Amino acid sequence: SQELEQSPQSLIVQEGKNLTINCTSSKTLYGLYWYKQKYGEGLIFLMMLQKGGEEKSHEKITAKLDEKKQQSSLHITASQPSHAGIYLCGADASGAGSYQLTFGKGTKLSVIP
Amino acid sequence: DAGVIQSPRHEVTEMGQEVTLRCKPISGHNSLFWYRQTMMRGLELLIYFNNNVPIDDSGMPEDRFSAKMPNASFSTLKIQPSEPRDSAVYFCASSRTSGSPSQYFGPGTRLTVL
Repeated sequence: SQELEQSPQSLIVQEGKNLTINCTSSKTLYGLYWYKQKYGEGLIFLMMLQKGGEEKSHEKITAKLDEKKQQSSLHITASQPSHAGIYLCGADASGAGSYQLTFGKGTKLSVIP
Repeated sequence: DAGVIQSPRHEVTEMGQEVTLRCKPISGHNSLFWYRQTMMRGLELLIYFNNNVPIDDSGMPEDRFSAKMPNASFSTLKIQPSEPRDSAVYFCASSRTSGSPSQYFGPGTRLTVL
């Protein structure tokens, strides 16, 4: 079965600093999804990447997909307290477009004002 | 538009009792997913419905768990009998199978089994 490893597990940054979160798959990535979760709440969809080399941005958050490395990175520029939360990556486990996702265990981000 | 609605938001019950979690997907979405999230195992897919039909229930832990989707706007996840190790946050998500497959999650039900 596909496994997704996220790094780091947790991250504390000063407001205004840039940061990067990585998601590495044990198998070929057919589609990679990034979500954000705040404590006690559900997951909020951020963006989806489907093609190697694809890069998408949502406000100050940019995600890239490297198919060869079976890896995706999420980069936040000039972090703000509102960026704090748990970031999870999810991948299509079957590769058949079935949309059944396997998730990483998440990266907990804290932003210090 | 209303998002995915789940009820109850919190449930505390005693071991051995039956627990029923409810979900209303986003209107127009024809895929529905039930997930369980724990500190130890992270977010796990339990079961996936497409057009109200269960497609993959391989993630359902054991026979104590069952899920139904009687129509396009309602699904239940039942645990009978419940055990302390079932304590977790249970999420329901929905998506369209045409166009963007991105899943939209409900707020979750935090279940505590004493």
